[in-house]
Amino acid sequence: NAGVTQTPKFQVLKTGQSMTLQCAQDMNHNSMYWYRQDPGMGLRLIYYSASEGTTDKGEVPNGYNVSRLNKREFSLRLESAAPSQTSVYFCASSEVFQGSNQPQHFGDGTRLSIL
Amino acid sequence: GQSLEQPSEVTAVEGAIVQINCTYQTSGFYGLSWYQQHDGGAPTFLSYNALDGLEETGRFSSFLSRSDSYGYLLLQELQMKDSASYFCAVIYNQGGKLIFGQGTELSVKP
Repeated sequence: NAGVTQTPKFQVLKTGQSMTLQCAQDMNHNSMYWYRQDPGMGLRLIYYSASEGTTDKGEVPNGYNVSRLNKREFSLRLESAAPSQTSVYFCASSEVFQGSNQPQHFGDGTRLSIL
Repeated sequence: GQSLEQPSEVTAVEGAIVQINCTYQTSGFYGLSWYQQHDGGAPTFLSYNALDGLEETGRFSSFLSRSDSYGYLLLQELQMKDSASYFCAVIYNQGGKLIFGQGTELSVKP
């Protein structure tokens, strides 16, 4: 009953370091999403992937890259981390939206601090 | 720009009814969703409205008025475990992209 699994759960980086956040889902969903959540704020979409092999920018894509490795996995990469990227990162998945509700299922998040 | 407005905090007592409002201004609209988040954990889906009217799911109901760009989440028979943050979110494009409000922190007091 895993759902959406994110790794790592916590990470501390120094400014300029790079890292990749991993996300995998076992619900056979086509769509996957990466969000960031800053204190006292809602979730903001970084990138999303409507299906395997496709990705699209969200509200706040600068400083990030993504890879939809296969249907199950969607990774988020910070090439040169900056303190402004300190945040909690959530991955989510859903079925393809077809004009009716397709709720998004979220992972437990990755808490990332950049010093 | 796109924006959703909801109150930042609401306090209520156990057993009471509370309504959390959400107004939105978005480039497109396909539906309004509500999510619950406990203590910064994984958000979980609560409800969805695509058409005007009330949707009921147990103790929770959600309402939408598309002409007023307005919706609300109604929580009845409040329990302590309902203390959490509640986010409204608009699906604004055909790909199912969501834009979230900043969240309402609900505190349920005994």
